[in-house]
Amino acid sequence: ETGVTQTPRHLVMGMTNKKSLKCEQHLGHNAMYWYKQSAKKPLELMFVYSLEERVENNSVPSRFSPECPNSSHLFLHLHTLQPEDSALYLCASSQTWGGMQETQYFGPGTRLLVL
Amino acid sequence: KQEVTQIPAALSVPEGENLVLNCSFTDSAIYNLQWFRQDPGKGLTSLLLIQSSQREQTSGRLNASLDKSSGRSTLYIAASQPGDSATYLCAVTPMGTYKYIFGTGTRLKVLA
Repeated sequence: ETGVTQTPRHLVMGMTNKKSLKCEQHLGHNAMYWYKQSAKKPLELMFVYSLEERVENNSVPSRFSPECPNSSHLFLHLHTLQPEDSALYLCASSQTWGGMQETQYFGPGTRLLVL
Repeated sequence: KQEVTQIPAALSVPEGENLVLNCSFTDSAIYNLQWFRQDPGKGLTSLLLIQSSQREQTSGRLNASLDKSSGRSTLYIAASQPGDSATYLCAVTPMGTYKYIFGTGTRLKVLA
């Protein structure tokens, strides 16, 4: 266990549904990340939060809406998704954002299927 | 734009073999390079992190080298075991940003 948990582990949703992914880290870190991992493509960084403020948004469509209520929790709210959004969504955390020697600790991911 | 490539995409070897995984990147201006392991249904686990000023890092049966000028890194696994079966990812942190740029990974299967 890396100290980063994600729920749910699997999610199937229709294109008109609204759902949320949850991430929790028990490491006392100050930075949290959302990544998308699609088949045959490299991991793509979606969002970065540092001390509960968003510091990176990598041109992610507005149908993905992140929320970071405190330094231990990170949510990804999903609405009106497309089938091409089906992927593994990974959460990660690190001690700080912007350190050259930082290692990120990853959760197990949520496998999302959009029908 | 930094791009990271990993070859081969998949590899199957008998137990006990020494093997080398390759990673190449297009821009040598990086802070560091990191190798990760990803097991099916699980997240990534960091294996080795090499700073740009370093040439290699070792952990147990794993040795990672970095040749920044040629844009290459190798992960050497000695005496492979079935438990080494996983996908291995490399990632670089380009200078001027603190974001990881990942390769697509090498899927390794070690046969008993």
